[in-house]
Amino acid sequence: EIVLTQSPATLSLSPGERATLSCRASQSVSSYLAWYQQKPGQAPRLLIYDASNRATGIPARFSGSGSGTDFTLTISSLEPEDFAVYYCQQRSNWPPTFGPGTKVDIK
Amino acid sequence: EVQLVESGGGLVQPGGSLRLSCAASGFTFSSYAMSWVRQAPGKGLEWVSAISGSGGSTYYADSVKGRFTISRDNSKNTLYLQMNSLRAEDTAVYYCAKPPTTVTTWYFDLWGRGTLVTVSS
Repeated sequence: EIVLTQSPATLSLSPGERATLSCRASQSVSSYLAWYQQKPGQAPRLLIYDASNRATGIPARFSGSGSGTDFTLTISSLEPEDFAVYYCQQRSNWPPTFGPGTKVDIK
Repeated sequence: EVQLVESGGGLVQPGGSLRLSCAASGFTFSSYAMSWVRQAPGKGLEWVSAISGSGGSTYYADSVKGRFTISRDNSKNTLYLQMNSLRAEDTAVYYCAKPPTTVTTWYFDLWGRGTLVTVSS
């Protein structure tokens, strides 16, 4: 199965700052990668699919890039509601797998 | 309203069984493959099982194969997960999840609130 590695484990930033999260796959997943946001006590929310496509209703400050094995989620200017855990997930190879997550917390 | 509502979680002893349900509304349930994804306390997400829209094809993670059975009743818009031979490591919040389109099976854009399964003596 494909293993996803996310870095950093924790990212401490202030509102208004830019956040850059990384996801690396153990083998190529082409562009079949998604990003999710999860807040405490809530279900995950799909942000980005197929590496760079924003899901319905997702603000433009969220963007995704990358292909093959290296992917990035960028939040251009952090809003208070963006402090959460972010997971990447691949669907290139069965079974679908998730990364361990990056926590974005308030500095 | 488009939503998924899970039920059936609870405390069960190791080796025991539990059946989870997920009631779907607001979309054409039978057109979508559906999945179960779990999250152990304080841990990340793990895909568990999926079933095609018709119910004719099922898929399982190696960690649950042979112990869990996914099924669906499209007349009731309900997804199920029968869990047998439960282990402590099955303790998690179990989410049912729907893909964004009828052909994009392995992304999940609609999630329920989850139901907690605790396996402990």
